[in-house]
Amino acid sequence: NAGVTQTPKFRVLKTGQSMTLLCAQDMNHEYMYWYRQDPGMGLRLIHYSVGEGTTAKGEVPDGYNVSRLKKQNFLLGLESAAPSQTSVYFCAADSPLGNTGELFFGEGSRLTVL
Amino acid sequence: DAKTTQPPSMDCAEGRAANLPCNHSTISGNEYVYWYRQIHSQGPQYIIHGLKNNETNEMASLIITEDRKSSTLILPHATLRDTAVYYCIVYFGSGGGSNYKLTFGKGTLLTVNP
Repeated sequence: NAGVTQTPKFRVLKTGQSMTLLCAQDMNHEYMYWYRQDPGMGLRLIHYSVGEGTTAKGEVPDGYNVSRLKKQNFLLGLESAAPSQTSVYFCAADSPLGNTGELFFGEGSRLTVL
Repeated sequence: DAKTTQPPSMDCAEGRAANLPCNHSTISGNEYVYWYRQIHSQGPQYIIHGLKNNETNEMASLIITEDRKSSTLILPHATLRDTAVYYCIVYFGSGGGSNYKLTFGKGTLLTVNP
């Protein structure tokens, strides 16, 4: 969706390396989310943020950290990547009207950890 | 959040209506029913949501039973591009509550056949 941009789109890491996924939105959304999706699975919530400077844990937060220093950006960090973190990561943002449940998703970031 | 139950897969002929069912027998009074879809390897896309009245937009119609324990998403004239995984989710959204986690299950894979 235009308005929610994820970088990078693809990345290959070695076990133990670190990296940061960036989610940027230009629609003044308050609520932002990071999900991961593994083959044959639904999306699982990693972390989310209800506003600038706030973050909270989702279903599967272990091994990840997040920051929301600016309203437009929600960063997902992997400090020491593990093969179990091989996945497709999706960022999402809620409507500028607030907590409407109408999420706009990015195109996804495919991460492979060797 | 209330749990939902959806069939894992369904088929539909192109040009016919696709009716996707969802059971949510434990839904609470101010939880909405949301539908999303995910076309292969893309980010999920919001379709529609409703509380108790039937809803229609340019993409689909949502029929919610009077007791609110189940709902049906209707794609009136399915096309090949509607082949996707469809997720039914119950969520407070703008109905209040302090739970900001939109939870995706495994959904229904709808295959539209020529």
